[in-house]
Amino acid sequence: GAVVSQHPSRVICKSGTSVKIECRSLDFQATTMFWYRQFPKKSLMLMATSNEGSKATYEQGVEKDKFLINHASLTLSTLTVTSAHPEDSSFYICSAYPGASGGYEQYFGPGTRLTVT
Amino acid sequence: AQSVTQPDIHITVSEGASLELRCNYSYGATPYLFWYVQSPGQGLQLLLKYFSGDTLVQGIKGFEAEFKRSQSSFNLRKPSVHWSDAAEYFCAVGGNAAGNKLTFGGGTRVLVKP
Repeated sequence: GAVVSQHPSRVICKSGTSVKIECRSLDFQATTMFWYRQFPKKSLMLMATSNEGSKATYEQGVEKDKFLINHASLTLSTLTVTSAHPEDSSFYICSAYPGASGGYEQYFGPGTRLTVT
Repeated sequence: AQSVTQPDIHITVSEGASLELRCNYSYGATPYLFWYVQSPGQGLQLLLKYFSGDTLVQGIKGFEAEFKRSQSSFNLRKPSVHWSDAAEYFCAVGGNAAGNKLTFGGGTRVLVKP
């Protein structure tokens, strides 16, 4: 149980285009989903916290107009990288948090490798 | 503000030898502590977690960790390392006081020599 999927696993897009990444909790409802970014050989940096039905809370330094987050249901959150540029190339990982029913644990997706050319 | 320090960027260990990964944290309330493992190009897998109770926590794959409040540490150990344990290991701290947000350490890359 407690499986989180991400789609796509890899995406290559051209500079200036937008790309959407989906994060789904497959067998539980997530009150909160988190989006992280991981640079090569680096740790995970929290980008934003997403609660179903409300606006995402972005961490300091993260451009909310560039990284659009929508949490339309308790099992789906999307991250859209708008007007992508090569510096947005990274590994994006989401996690889903079911709350106390899930033992206060975040469950992580397998990640999405974004390459902007 | 919460923070996590993993002092060792790389550790090389021989197969069959013991392994200890260090983690020090800073957190203003009762911490929830986690250790995750990440293989190249993959997501994170939870090894173990500590919320309260017994300060020695057992996890998957033969790993254990000990919470020491006086030292603000949560070190990960394994008595005998297998080649498949080569990976990146992350310590993380969070808790209800932080809205359940996790702060990750910089990670320790473990290399296993045959």
